[in-house]
Amino acid sequence: SAVISQKPSRDICQRGTSLTIQCQVDSQVTMMFWYRQQPGQSLTLIATANQGSEATYESGFVIDKFPISRPNLTFSTLTVSNMSPEDSSIYLCSVLIASDEQYFGPGTRLTVT
Amino acid sequence: GENVEQHPSTLSVQEGDSAVIKCTYSDSASNYFPWYKQELGKRPQLIIDIRSNVGEKKDQRIAVTLNKTAKHFSLHITETQPEDSAVYFCAASMGGATNKLIFGTGTLLAVQP
Repeated sequence: SAVISQKPSRDICQRGTSLTIQCQVDSQVTMMFWYRQQPGQSLTLIATANQGSEATYESGFVIDKFPISRPNLTFSTLTVSNMSPEDSSIYLCSVLIASDEQYFGPGTRLTVT
Repeated sequence: GENVEQHPSTLSVQEGDSAVIKCTYSDSASNYFPWYKQELGKRPQLIIDIRSNVGEKKDQRIAVTLNKTAKHFSLHITETQPEDSAVYFCAASMGGATNKLIFGTGTLLAVQP
């Protein structure tokens, strides 16, 4: 497996502002993903972070709201833009190890007031 | 669209009993089926997975079975212990890509000492 860290671990933000979440891995990985987990709910894939190119977004998620960067094979950021209370969730990055095993970061708990 | 149904949503067992969680998927092209355990406030942890060319896989007290014809897969935990208490999520790969996952709704397992 790999050691995956996220910053910040939690934050409380005002509506209308933006927050950038960082995901760092201790080894190079081919694929990184961003998920959202709303309170008491399951995990939903937001997008695949592609190294050196634009992220691939799932249905219901758009780049203007969730811009993603992946400048290298160990780091990615997710920005939650123009936040509203409905964006209050846990945001998790995951990385692909071996051919298909995904391992998750510790998550960022976001509260929007 | 693609979805994964998971049952039951809650499960309470006595310590030492077995627990079974069942999932059904809709995409016939799914070929990778991981299970995650999420303790309160923690990240999801991969506990076991199965690929479509295998019908059953065991790892100590946990086992997973797959019926591709019926599009069912199940998690079996034997000799449950209080530390098995957590939310369990099944997932299935989207289409032919094993690295994109769609998650079930989760099962809260409570093991009573």
